[in-house]
Amino acid sequence: AQSVTQLGSHVSVSEGALVLLRCNYSSSVPPYLFWYVQYPNQGLQLLLKYTSAATLVKGINGFEAEFKKSETSFHLTKPSAHMSDAAEYFCAVSDRGLRRFGAGTRLTVKP
Amino acid sequence: DAGITQSPRHKVTETGTPVTLRCHQTENHRYMYWYRQDPGHGLRLIHYSYGVKDTDKGEVSDGYSVSRSKTEDFLLTLESATSSQTSVYFCAISDGTSYETQYFGPGTRLLVL
Repeated sequence: AQSVTQLGSHVSVSEGALVLLRCNYSSSVPPYLFWYVQYPNQGLQLLLKYTSAATLVKGINGFEAEFKKSETSFHLTKPSAHMSDAAEYFCAVSDRGLRRFGAGTRLTVKP
Repeated sequence: DAGITQSPRHKVTETGTPVTLRCHQTENHRYMYWYRQDPGHGLRLIHYSYGVKDTDKGEVSDGYSVSRSKTEDFLLTLESATSSQTSVYFCAISDGTSYETQYFGPGTRLLVL
């Protein structure tokens, strides 16, 4: 079965600093990969997805992720954190058409 | 936002009682899903539906059943609630599977005492 592992359950950055949230995948076939964001007391919202069209994927709110097959990684980045980015972020992989989610990373942004 | 509503939004119940959660969509999407979210586990799939009366199990289906009699409604039933089923439950919908976007509802917070 395909799976993802998110490294770091909590990440704290200062406002204006680089955001880097790590996700590694395990897959025997070319994967479809996703990043979701969850704000407090809300459902998940898709940030971006990788469907093999391009290795660098741009998403909403200034986020992007790069698919690196050699490292089996799909890390999420944003050049400059904003207070509104504070949320929980989930990486997911499509496993036979169904989603498998990582455990999540809570991002805190300090003023 | 995709038209997905969940009811109730909050529920407190006692061990051993039956509970039904409802997911309603106005998007006419073929696929509907029920997930539970627990700290340290992310979201885990309970059951999903690929059409009216067509459902299948996910990775944590024990103790849960589902029904879909209309395209727009997907019901999740806990036949006899247990404390281990205390969780936040999310419904999601999509038009397809592999890489199509799944849209999530606002969630139902369930506490089983």
